[in-house]
Amino acid sequence: QKEVEQNSGPLSVPEGAIASLNCTYSDRGSQSFFWYRQYSGKSPELIMFIYSNGDKEDGRFTAQLNKASQYVSLLIRDSQPSDSATYLCAVNVLMDSSYKLIFGSGTRLLVRP
Amino acid sequence: DTEVTQTPKHLVMGMTNKKSLKCEQHMGHRAMYWYKQKAKKPPELMFVYSYEKLSINESVPSRFSPECPNSSLLNLHLHALQPEDSALYLCASSQGGTGAGQPQHFGDGTRLSIL
Repeated sequence: QKEVEQNSGPLSVPEGAIASLNCTYSDRGSQSFFWYRQYSGKSPELIMFIYSNGDKEDGRFTAQLNKASQYVSLLIRDSQPSDSATYLCAVNVLMDSSYKLIFGSGTRLLVRP
Repeated sequence: DTEVTQTPKHLVMGMTNKKSLKCEQHMGHRAMYWYKQKAKKPPELMFVYSYEKLSINESVPSRFSPECPNSSLLNLHLHALQPEDSALYLCASSQGGTGAGQPQHFGDGTRLSIL
C-alpha cells in the first residue's frame, strides 16, 4: 500500500507568521511531489511542485524535499487570512505500469487575523 | 477560473436518470483524469486517459462510463446512480501522457446530488 501521510490539523498561526506543513510518503521510488490548496467547496489548486532534493521557492511559498527521509514540506511566509484552506500533499507513484497521484488526507490551515 | 472547464457546475438527478458530465481543456495536455471527492476527504482517482486511450480504471462501478472523444474532451456518463454517489466530481489534465513529473490541473468540478 503506497501512502501519503499528513497531520489533519487544524494548524493555527497568527497573521504574518510562517506556516509549516509537513507530509511523509512511503514509496521510495516517487519522483515528483505536489502541493495543492483547496478552499471549502472548491476544487484543488496547484500551488507548488518539486522534483529534486532541496528547496524550491515561489513568492511566499517554499517547498522542501528530502528523499532520504521521504519527507516533503511547504512553508508559507507572511501568512494571510486568505491562506486559510486545506493543503493537500500529493505524490506521483508508479503502480501497475502507470503513474498515479496519491493524495494525503490534507492539513487544514487557519490564519488568525 | 481554471483552464480545465467542467459542465455542469451542479447536477441533481434521480436514481433512474441518465446524465453526462463534460470536461474540456485546450492546453494541449494528453492525459485526462476523473476524480471523485467526498466532503473532508482527498480526491479519489476513478479513470485515466492517456493519449485518448483508457489507461486506468480504478475498479469503478459500471454505472459510471467514461469517454474521451478527442484529446481536448472527456465525458463521464452516469446511469442508475446511488445516493452514495453524491460527491464533487473533478476533472484534471496533465501534459504528455501519465508519465511522472507532470502536474495535474483541476477543473472547478461538478457537484452531483442523487435523490
